[in-house]
Amino acid sequence: GQQLNQSPQSMFIQEGEDVSMNCTSSSIFNTWLWYKQDPGEGPVLLIALYKAGELTSNGRLTAQFGITRKDSFLNISASIPSDVGIYFCAGPRVAGGTSYGKLTFGQGTILTVHP
Amino acid sequence: DTEVTQTPKHLVMGMTNKKSLKCEQHMGHRAMYWYKQKAKKPPELMFVYSYEKLSINESVPSRFSPECPNSSLLNLHLHALQPEDSALYLCASSHVGNNYGYTFGSGTRLTVV
Repeated sequence: GQQLNQSPQSMFIQEGEDVSMNCTSSSIFNTWLWYKQDPGEGPVLLIALYKAGELTSNGRLTAQFGITRKDSFLNISASIPSDVGIYFCAGPRVAGGTSYGKLTFGQGTILTVHP
Repeated sequence: DTEVTQTPKHLVMGMTNKKSLKCEQHMGHRAMYWYKQKAKKPPELMFVYSYEKLSINESVPSRFSPECPNSSLLNLHLHALQPEDSALYLCASSHVGNNYGYTFGSGTRLTVV
């Protein structure tokens, strides 16, 4: 199936440090999505990537869609305490070039930021 | 309106109870979803509705019964649940066939006792 391998599983960093996490797959994805989930809340879409090689920024966040369409990374610069949460990569499942409308999620990266 | 609203936020129910979770969106999305999420795990798809018709059931036990009364509302009826069904239940919506990602609600934290 189309599975996403997300790493690292967890990160403990100091405020002000940069963070990098990535997702890889053995299958091609046409879209890569990065979500953040705060405790007790639903996932919130941070960045969406639609083209291979695309590099997109949203404030201190930067994400890239890999050239092979099988990977993506998310960087957070100058982390702050409110960056704490679980970050998920996700992509719509693809079969024969069309999306089923189902999202495949990575296992998540739990980010802890120490002040 | 760019939100998906879920009620209630918290629910405690006994194994013999019948309860319903509700979800509402006014973004004109014609695809709506129910996901189940355990602590520190990714959401797991349960059901997909497309144009108010059930299009995907991910082999969910019949004690979970979804309903889509109209294009803005999605319900999940619960009956005879087990303690292991305790989880965060998330509703989401999107345009049909959309690759832009879903908009998720804040979820209902369900505890089965």
